[in-house]
Amino acid sequence: AQSVTQPDIHITVSEGASLELRCNYSYGATPYLFWYVQSPGQGLQLLLKYFSGDTLVQGIKGFEAEFKRSQSSFNLRKPSVHWSDAAEYFCAVGRGGGSQGNLIFGKGTKLSVKP
Amino acid sequence: ETGVTQTPRHLVMGMTNKKSLKCEQHLGHNAMYWYKQSAKKPLELMFVYNFKEQTENNSVPSRFSPECPNSSHLFLHLHTLQPEDSALYLCASSQAAGATDTQYFGPGTRLTVL
Repeated sequence: AQSVTQPDIHITVSEGASLELRCNYSYGATPYLFWYVQSPGQGLQLLLKYFSGDTLVQGIKGFEAEFKRSQSSFNLRKPSVHWSDAAEYFCAVGRGGGSQGNLIFGKGTKLSVKP
Repeated sequence: ETGVTQTPRHLVMGMTNKKSLKCEQHLGHNAMYWYKQSAKKPLELMFVYNFKEQTENNSVPSRFSPECPNSSHLFLHLHTLQPEDSALYLCASSQAAGATDTQYFGPGTRLTVL
């Protein structure tokens, strides 16, 4: 069965520092991978997604993620964090095919940003 | 993304009440979803509708009853809920219900069951 693991529940970084959020997945075939962000009191917003091709994916708000098949990972990175990046981040894998696909989410990583 | 709206944003109800959550998408999508987000648990898929037909019911108790009258509207009817049903309920939509279809989420309804 597909699963997504985000090992870090809570991360604190200083503003301007670099960020890497970890995501590991379990899936038999080539996965469809997503990163979403949820600000307090808001729904989830898509940051980026990977289906195939270039393993380094660029997203919105300066985020990028790299797919590493050998490590079953899809880590999210940002070179310089801004205070407005404080939020919860969810990694997800797209399950199934045809008309019955949906997303399996990790438990999320909460990001705090220090001034 | 403001293409998916949910009402009400907050709801407090007793265990014997009946209430409904509403979701509307303005994106021209054909698939809609209900998710439950509880503290310390992953986001849980509850129901999937594709072209108004329910394609997935993820073992959800019958006290939650979804309704999808058209591709733009999705309801979640609630009755005789339990305190453990308190959570954030998120609605989402996508062009189709495939694994590669990006889902767009609403802001959620914060439900408290007393």
